[in-house]
Amino acid sequence: GAVVSQHPSRVICKSGTSVKIECRSLDFQATTMFWYRQFPKQSLMLMATSNEGSKATYEQGVEKDKFLINHASLTLSTLTVTSAHPEDSSFYICSARGGGRNTGELFFGEGSRLTVL
Amino acid sequence: DAKTTQPPSMDCAEGRAANLPCNHSTISGNEYVYWYRQIHSQGPQYIIHGLKNNETNEMASLIITEDRKSSTLILPHATLRDTAVYYCIVRVEDSSYKLIFGSGTRLLVRP
Repeated sequence: GAVVSQHPSRVICKSGTSVKIECRSLDFQATTMFWYRQFPKQSLMLMATSNEGSKATYEQGVEKDKFLINHASLTLSTLTVTSAHPEDSSFYICSARGGGRNTGELFFGEGSRLTVL
Repeated sequence: DAKTTQPPSMDCAEGRAANLPCNHSTISGNEYVYWYRQIHSQGPQYIIHGLKNNETNEMASLIITEDRKSSTLILPHATLRDTAVYYCIVRVEDSSYKLIFGSGTRLLVRP
């Protein structure tokens, strides 16, 4: 099946710094990618929809200036957590919509665990 | 709103069938039922989906009631590696392709 890769898988940073997380579709082109956040023992919460070549669409309550999303190519979307604080510590997961015979199916990355000290 | 209701936890013995229920009483005619699972500290994995007919693949079977208000995911021979949180999601096949996750069922497969 299609593969989605995230990098880094784990990151620890100091409060006030910015962190970039990459999401790549490895063997298919993804015009649409999604970013989720998951706190311990909770479900995934959709943060935003990332569309190649256009601005991301954010879910209600998600600060677009805090979580910058860039989808510059058909295989790469990035999430930048700006001026991170301890409450931003979470598991961030991306997904990409498959194409071809997998059209409509969403493939998920392995997740990126952010810890802000 | 997740639009689905699942029991928070279940367990079953290794080698036995695991039957995970899901209620989606407000499902619309154009909404599909999707199942994903998430093993600890990993991204969700697609299992199966269906509209109104029962579906089967190499991982599981999906049984949807005739009124489509509920469904059951069946893992025919559960293994320890099937221990995970299982999410039942209803979704319209439109251009948004968004998946909204509910709280899911935490399945524990016992040796």
